[in-house]
Amino acid sequence: DIVMTQSPDSLAVSLGERATIHCKSSQSILRGSNNKNYLAWYQQKPGQPPKLLVYWASTRKSGVPDRFSGSGSGTDFTLTISSLQAEDVAVYYCHHYYNTPPTFGQGTKVEIK
Amino acid sequence: QLHLVQSGAEMKKPGASVKVSCKASGYTFTAYYIHWVRQAPGHGLEWMGWINPNSGATKYAQKFQGRVTMTRDTSTGTAYMELSSLRSADSTIYYCAASDASQGTLNWYDPWGQGTLVTVSS
Repeated sequence: DIVMTQSPDSLAVSLGERATIHCKSSQSILRGSNNKNYLAWYQQKPGQPPKLLVYWASTRKSGVPDRFSGSGSGTDFTLTISSLQAEDVAVYYCHHYYNTPPTFGQGTKVEIK
Repeated sequence: QLHLVQSGAEMKKPGASVKVSCKASGYTFTAYYIHWVRQAPGHGLEWMGWINPNSGATKYAQKFQGRVTMTRDTSTGTAYMELSSLRSADSTIYYCAASDASQGTLNWYDPWGQGTLVTVSS
């Protein structure tokens, strides 16, 4: 199974500042046949299910604020919140769907400093 | 708009089975795979398997083989996940989630159901 490791486990950022979350896969999740990275990012607020933010590592879902951006390729990926807002307090998960079984990172908790 | 609504919380005794439902609306039921993911405290998100609502084909995570059964009722647009031989470690929240079948089984999940809490206790 591909292991997804996120860092840090938690971070506290001031309102309006940048938050950066890293996700590393134990093997490449870039498929050569279509040059796509099989990685998604989700946001989960307390008492709610995860919500899709980004897929194909860098494609933002329609309706997601543009302060959220995904980047990276191969085994190293990043989710960046360019200007943290109060409503962004949540746990963020990366998820590979490169093969079966799909797996998730352990989550990164983002709080306000 | 795609929407998934799950059945309510369940309390079961060890050794029993639980069956959780996931009703889809706002789209053609057979156009999206339904995946089941559970979230245990300290264990993050764990994929359990998927069902193709069109064919009824299923794929289960090895960990749950022999204990999980995923089915669907196309007449009501509802998917089901049954987990048997319950133990305390199965006490957690279970989610259903949809993925676009046109892109195959390797896909992101959107949307998710609201979650169903299953508690296993004697």
